[in-house]
Amino acid sequence: EPEVTQTPSHQVTQMGQEVILRCVPISNHLYFYWYRQILGQKVEFLVSFYNNEISEKSEIFDDRFSVERPDGSNFTLKIRSTKLEDSAMYFCASRTGPSAEYFGPGTRLTVT
Amino acid sequence: QKEVEQDPGPLSVPEGAIVSLNCTYSNSAFQYFMWYRQYSRKGPELLMYTYSSGNKEDGRFTAQVDKSSKYISLFIRDSQPSDSATYLCAMSELTGGGNKLTFGTGTQLKVEL
Repeated sequence: EPEVTQTPSHQVTQMGQEVILRCVPISNHLYFYWYRQILGQKVEFLVSFYNNEISEKSEIFDDRFSVERPDGSNFTLKIRSTKLEDSAMYFCASRTGPSAEYFGPGTRLTVT
Repeated sequence: QKEVEQDPGPLSVPEGAIVSLNCTYSNSAFQYFMWYRQYSRKGPELLMYTYSSGNKEDGRFTAQVDKSSKYISLFIRDSQPSDSATYLCAMSELTGGGNKLTFGTGTQLKVEL
């Protein structure tokens, strides 16, 4: 069964550094998303991406965040100048058409 | 008022019990409703997806949506210890391309032998 994959599973970085989280969505999916979940809290929407551009972004997705689909398979989230409060699980998701979103296993980001 | 309210639990039931999990919402624009299961430090796993009021059944799982009351439920029949996880409700509006999901806080379920 096709699935969303994410790398790395765990990323540790120092405050102020840049990180890139990588995702490979399900191959025939057209809509791509990033969500995050701070430990013990609910899953929160960050950004949606369709047709090579951002469709919608939340207030969390400030100008330190960016997304890119550099080729036909990868979807990346870049965070510049990381802050302690960026520490969370980051989930990539994808869907095709009017259906539910399928989530990846997540990347745990720890900012020290 | 939160957009999506979900009782965080924890909910503890004996094996074989029928489990009822619920969410209420305030945004009448929500059209799509999903239930996800999440094990500790893992990604949400899609269980059920529906976009109309009424019931939808899949094996031991039944999703129920009542748009007039802004209330959704997930029923698990013959619960198993492997069902022990956090159950997340999620919903979205009908939009052009975004369709972001708004999640509840999740209900932690433990099914005991």
